Amino acid sequence: DAGVIQSPRHEVTEMGQEVTLRCKPISGHNSLFWYRQTMMRGLELLIYFNNNVPIDDSGMPEDRFSAKMPNASFSTLKIQPSEPRDSAVYFCASSPGTGARRETQYFGPGTRLLVL
Amino acid sequence: EDKVVQSPLSLVVHEGDTVTLNCSYEVTNFRSLLWYKQEKKAPTFLFMLTSSGIEKKSGRLSSILDKKELFSILNITATQTGDSAVYLCAVAPVWSNTGKLIFGQGTTLQVKP
Repeated sequence: DAGVIQSPRHEVTEMGQEVTLRCKPISGHNSLFWYRQTMMRGLELLIYFNNNVPIDDSGMPEDRFSAKMPNASFSTLKIQPSEPRDSAVYFCASSPGTGARRETQYFGPGTRLLVL
Repeated sequence: EDKVVQSPLSLVVHEGDTVTLNCSYEVTNFRSLLWYKQEKKAPTFLFMLTSSGIEKKSGRLSSILDKKELFSILNITATQTGDSAVYLCAVAPVWSNTGKLIFGQGTTLQVKP
């Protein structure tokens, strides 16, 4: 299995630009999660989907952040406009969502975002 | 509010030492507890525990859960420099049947040669 795939792996952009992060979950997994990690705040859950439907977006910092999951194999997290404080590592994770180990999340390699 | 607390926040040991990492939780309707290891990249899954008193073991790592006292420990014996990482504990509540996890803040372990 290829695992969770994220792109790009690194992104450097200037303040005010739009940033789009992409994620392909593990095939067959029903739940997808977007996290942000910084030294100061640790691992924060931004939003998660189940069967392509957003379940909880209470962790999304503000209206500049949006996420979509148009189908079972693809999700995007968009920041528009980006700000320096958005600099962080963004992880996508997926879990089976059903079965005895439905909550076991598998993480992608992350996207390291730097906003100048 | 559901929460997961890990201790210590950081730890420095020497190769060959044995370490014990702690995770306590306050979660409504507990379902399972998971341990992850994070080196300079993404968290990787170590263990999932659902029942008290049953030890999960993988090589030099082992973990056990106490559902009465609401905590878990992760033991690493004969530590190696490759064990240096952040260890994350997470809990899945029953109410989240879609797999949402509540993460602790992590324990940073440094193993010196």
